[in-house]
Amino acid sequence: GAVVSQHPSRVICKSGTSVKIECRSLDFQATTMFWYRQFPKQSLMLMATSNEGSKATYEQGVEKDKFLINHASLTLSTLTVTSAHPEDSSFYICSAAGRNHVPSEQYFGPGTRLTVT
Amino acid sequence: QKEVEQNSGPLSVPEGAIASLNCTYSDRGSQSFFWYRQYSGKSPELIMFIYSNGDKEDGRFTAQLNKASQYVSLLIRDSQPSDSATYLCAVGMYNNNDMRFGAGTRLTVKP
Repeated sequence: GAVVSQHPSRVICKSGTSVKIECRSLDFQATTMFWYRQFPKQSLMLMATSNEGSKATYEQGVEKDKFLINHASLTLSTLTVTSAHPEDSSFYICSAAGRNHVPSEQYFGPGTRLTVT
Repeated sequence: QKEVEQNSGPLSVPEGAIASLNCTYSDRGSQSFFWYRQYSGKSPELIMFIYSNGDKEDGRFTAQLNKASQYVSLLIRDSQPSDSATYLCAVGMYNNNDMRFGAGTRLTVKP
């Protein structure tokens, strides 16, 4: 399968600061990237879907001004958690898909563990 | 009603036994069905996907789909301790990527 990386793998930040998480597709052009959040012992919750060069589509209940998503190139999408609070502490996972792909060809990154103190 | 429901477990089976994981979904129009394995602290990895009613086998894994009952299952034969993980069921459509995940079933295979 294709390779998707995330950086950083872990980050600890203070309440009120912003954190940027990068998601890169290393060996294919990702026309669509997805951002998920997973709280302990809970399911993956889709936060937003972004298509290269377009504004992200956010799921209901996800604050677009708090979770800024940029997908400026076919290999990179970023998620910025602005003014982070302890309740934003979670495991953030991106996945990437190429043009005309089928759902089984959605490749997950290794995830980023965010802890807000 | 949750869109995708799984028994959270934990499900414990002895090594060599068959582990049976179940999932039900609410959207009758769902077209694609996936099983992911997730180790603690790691991201999910795809094990199986199935689109048509019936069984699909891949090695020790068999996915079973019954659209009339809105039910999909995963059987793991000859379970190994390395199969111990959380198994996520995901449901979606053919032509988009809007997958909905269940909360996962934690499986423990005891040596």
